[in-house]
Amino acid sequence: AQSVTQLGSHVSVSEGALVLLRCNYSSSVPPYLFWYVQYPNQGLQLLLKYTTGATLVKGINGFEAEFKKSETSFHLTKPSAHMSDAAEYFCAVTIQTGANNLFFGTGTRLTVIP
Amino acid sequence: GAGVSQSPSNKVTEKGKDVELRCDPISGHTALYWYRQRLGQGLEFLIYFQGNSAPDKSGLPSDRFSAERTGESVSTLTIQRTQQEDSAVYLCASSATTGFEQYFGPGTRLTVT
Repeated sequence: AQSVTQLGSHVSVSEGALVLLRCNYSSSVPPYLFWYVQYPNQGLQLLLKYTTGATLVKGINGFEAEFKKSETSFHLTKPSAHMSDAAEYFCAVTIQTGANNLFFGTGTRLTVIP
Repeated sequence: GAGVSQSPSNKVTEKGKDVELRCDPISGHTALYWYRQRLGQGLEFLIYFQGNSAPDKSGLPSDRFSAERTGESVSTLTIQRTQQEDSAVYLCASSATTGFEQYFGPGTRLTVT
């Protein structure tokens, strides 16, 4: 079975500072990994995904994530936080067969301090 | 183009009543998923539809939950005899056959009083 652990349910950063949101996964087969963002009272929006190929993945709004198989990690980063980045971020994993339903982490709420 | 839509956006119901939640997927998307998001938690998979195949119901928490989908269009999630623990946001997502990206609707916030 697949699972995701997000370390830190709340992360606060100053505007302009580095954003680092941690995600570790568990999967017995090669995973597909995703980061979604959820703004208040809205649905989830895909930030970026890793399926195969390049392990450094770039997404929307300046975010990127690196798939590290040896560390079973897929941490999300952004060099400089903006106020508009304040939201809840979810890491998710699926595999290539079956229903492809996503297994989500419990989320990390990002606060950006002006 | 139009995204995934869900209705109603909010639903308040009394314990013991039945509720129906609706999802309109993106046109042409053959796969449709229902998830539940309880307060302060991640999303839990409920059920998956792929084309005309039998649905994957492995995530449904009890037999009070059921879902239907007509072909590759609208889906309804039904919760019978609602309980307070059913209070959550119910999210629907769809994806194209060949992709793994799931596109989410805005959700239905269900409150059981």
